[in-house]
Amino acid sequence: AQRVTQPEKLLSVFKGAPVELKCNYSYSGSPELFWYVQYSRQRLQLLLRHISRESIKGFTADLNKGETSFHLKKPFAQEEDSAMYYCALAGLGAQKLVFGQGTRLTINP
Amino acid sequence: GAGVSQSPRYKVTKRGQDVALRCDPISGHVSLYWYRQALGQGPEFLTYFNYEAQQDKSGLPNDRFSAERPEGSISTLTIQRTEQRDSAMYRCASSLGPAGNTEAFFGQGTRLTVV
Repeated sequence: AQRVTQPEKLLSVFKGAPVELKCNYSYSGSPELFWYVQYSRQRLQLLLRHISRESIKGFTADLNKGETSFHLKKPFAQEEDSAMYYCALAGLGAQKLVFGQGTRLTINP
Repeated sequence: GAGVSQSPRYKVTKRGQDVALRCDPISGHVSLYWYRQALGQGPEFLTYFNYEAQQDKSGLPNDRFSAERPEGSISTLTIQRTEQRDSAMYRCASSLGPAGNTEAFFGQGTRLTVV
């Protein structure tokens, strides 16, 4: 079964502090992993995907197949990072995305 | 704008009524998806289309839910005999190809409230 778990519903950190949003997954094959973000009053949008190995807005995520994790990290949080973050997976070439419950990140000034 | 457009943005309906939610994808996008998101949860897959063909409807919760995309562009998600448990945000997304390979672009969503 495909499953994505985000253990933290809420995460609050101070501006300038490091931030890590946790994501664990369950999938029998080779998954594609994604982080989607929804800023206030905006639509859900792709932040990054593991296959592209990019750093977007200072965020990075490393796929750890041994721990079945895809945690999202940023060394220095900014106030504009406050948003809802969703981890998602898709099977290779698959159409549907399986989302986690989401983590609401709040960056305090 | 050339993004995914959903209408209406908000819909309040009485229990037992039928509702139709519309999604206008990005022009040229082959794949179109419907997701449902309950409060405090992540989006949950309902169904998807490639062109006009409904390829997977395994996420539709029961036979009151149906979707179509007759000309391979605009899609309609219909819920018959609505129930209070149908209240949720309904999200549509489109992509050039499979969501596992290409970016899925989401609409603003339709917030459905069944009273």
